[in-house]
This record gives sequence, C-alpha cells and structure tokens, in this order.
Amino acid sequence: EDQVTQSPEALRLQEGESSSLNCSYTVSGLRGLFWYRQDPGKGPEFLFTLYSAGEEKEKERLKATLTKKESFLHITAPKPEDSATYLCAVLPTNSGYALNFGKGTSLLVTP
Amino acid sequence: DAGVIQSPRHEVTEMGQEVTLRCKPISGHNSLFWYRQTMMRGLELLIYFNNNVPIDDSGMPEDRFSAKMPNASFSTLKIQPSEPRDSAVYFCASSLGVNQPQHFGDGTRLSIL
Repeated sequence: EDQVTQSPEALRLQEGESSSLNCSYTVSGLRGLFWYRQDPGKGPEFLFTLYSAGEEKEKERLKATLTKKESFLHITAPKPEDSATYLCAVLPTNSGYALNFGKGTSLLVTP
Repeated sequence: DAGVIQSPRHEVTEMGQEVTLRCKPISGHNSLFWYRQTMMRGLELLIYFNNNVPIDDSGMPEDRFSAKMPNASFSTLKIQPSEPRDSAVYFCASSLGVNQPQHFGDGTRLSIL
C-alpha cells in the first residue's frame, strides 16, 4: 500500500535557525512528488514538483530535494512569515492522477 | 490571475439538509479534483474530472455525495442528506494535466449540526 509519512509533526524554530522537514514515501513507482504550504483557513499553495531522484528545486529560503525513498524541504534562515503547515504529496505511477498526501509538518518560526 | 474560486467559504446547516458546494477552476485547466480535509484523515480525494467527465469517484464516501461538472468553468459537490460526520473542509483543485501541479481554492468549511 502506498504511504507518505512526514516528520516531524510539529517544529518550532527561532528566526534564522535553519532546519529540514522530511517526507518519506513507499510507492511502487513515483511519477512526481509535490510540496505545498498551507496557511490557516487557506487552501494548500503549490511550492515545488520533483520528478526524479537527485532533483533539487529552490525558492527563496526553501530548497526541496528528492531521493528514491524520501524528500527533504530545507528551510534556510527562516522568518516568522514562513510559519505554516507544509504538506508533501506523492503521485504514484499506478495512480495516474490521485495525489497521496502526508499529514503535514506544522512549522512555527518565532522572532 | 484568478485562482480556483470556491463558494461558500463557510456553511453551517442542520442534519438532513441538502448542501451544495461550488467551484470555478482556473481557466484552461482540464483536470478538476474535489478533496475533503479533516484532522484525523488529512486530505482525501473524493472525485476527479478530466475534460468535464468524471473519471474516478471511488473516494466519494456514500451515495449521499454527488458531483457534477456541466462545463469547463463550473463544478458542484452536493451532499443530500447531510450528516454531522460530513463536517470538514472541502477543497476544489484544478490542474493543466494529471502530472501537473494541482492548484487549490481556499475551501468551504462545512459544519453539520
């Protein structure tokens, strides 16, 4: 059975304290892995798509990486406005269209 | 550019009533998805449309749930009759294709009393 597990469930950082969020997945084949950010009362906002192991994407203070078993979202020198829930979703090869979402990591960045 | 637009943003109704949620996808997107989000189960896919045609409704929990997409710019999700366990946030998302990122609306927070 396809599974997506995100860790930690919650993370509290001081402003400027870099860290990484993990998304590990078990699928028969990976068509793509997607990272989203979700703010309270809002829908998930697309951040990155990764399609193959070794691929990396960057946007401002965020960098996403992908291996054959997991993906990391690295946050460099975070700011309070980076506080949100970060969701990872996997598109398995045998699915075609159904994203399998993890439960998310709730990130709080304090001044 | 306008994103995915959902209405209403909040809905509170009594058990047994019919509920209709609405979605306008991003113009030009040919794939539309309805999701439900709860604390316990996270985001779950309910139904997927491609070019206005329902492709997979296996995530629809019961016959009380139905969805339509009469044209490329409008979709509805209906619950009749509603039950308290249907309380959740319902999201609509659209994409340019199945391998492309899905873009979400801000959801409808549904409370069934």
